[in-house]
Amino acid sequence: AQKVTQAQTEISVVEKEDVTLDCVYETRDTTYYLFWYKQPPSGELVFLIRRNSFDEQNEISGRYSWNFQKSTSSFNFTITASQVVDSAVYFCALSEAQGGSEKLVFGKGTKLTVNP
Amino acid sequence: DGGITQSPKYLFRKEGQNVTLSCEQNLNHDAMYWYRQDPGQGLRLIYYSQIVNDFQKGDIAEGYSVSREKKESFPLTVTSAQKNPTAFYLCASTAPGTRDTEAFFGQGTRLTVV
Repeated sequence: AQKVTQAQTEISVVEKEDVTLDCVYETRDTTYYLFWYKQPPSGELVFLIRRNSFDEQNEISGRYSWNFQKSTSSFNFTITASQVVDSAVYFCALSEAQGGSEKLVFGKGTKLTVNP
Repeated sequence: DGGITQSPKYLFRKEGQNVTLSCEQNLNHDAMYWYRQDPGQGLRLIYYSQIVNDFQKGDIAEGYSVSREKKESFPLTVTSAQKNPTAFYLCASTAPGTRDTEAFFGQGTRLTVV
């Protein structure tokens, strides 16, 4: 069965520090999709990135970057020069397809606190 | 603006009562989902629907029921059979037929049993 593990339950950093959130996944599918979502205190999940299993290129978007390594089944997320507004819970997710349906399997999330 | 609307934001229920959470989307998405979030537990899938008049159980469907009579609407009923209903409930939708599309989420309903 598909599984996503986010081993870091909580992380606390000081503003301007870099921080990496770890995500390790398990799947038997050869084609799969990985996602990161941000959940601010308001509760709504905000989509950050998706990556398919055939594309191992790292991606950078402003202060955010993602490192996808199939060899270690990891999809880690780095925030450079963190800011207080980055404080949120971050979820890694894996798409699961059974019988043509599309479902997301989520990790338990990492709560990031950025202190001024 | 397109999006997903969940109501109410906060809901209080007495033990033994059924309660219905509303989820409406105007994104023209075929697929809709209900997730439950407990502290430190991530999101767990309750029910999902790929098309009108059809839905499937997720990982924790016991004590819940849904309907999908309209494409835009996917209400969730928390029945008295749900042993521990206090949680944060999130509704989501996705565009049809593509696994790599992101899910759009509503702002959630926080249900508390009193």
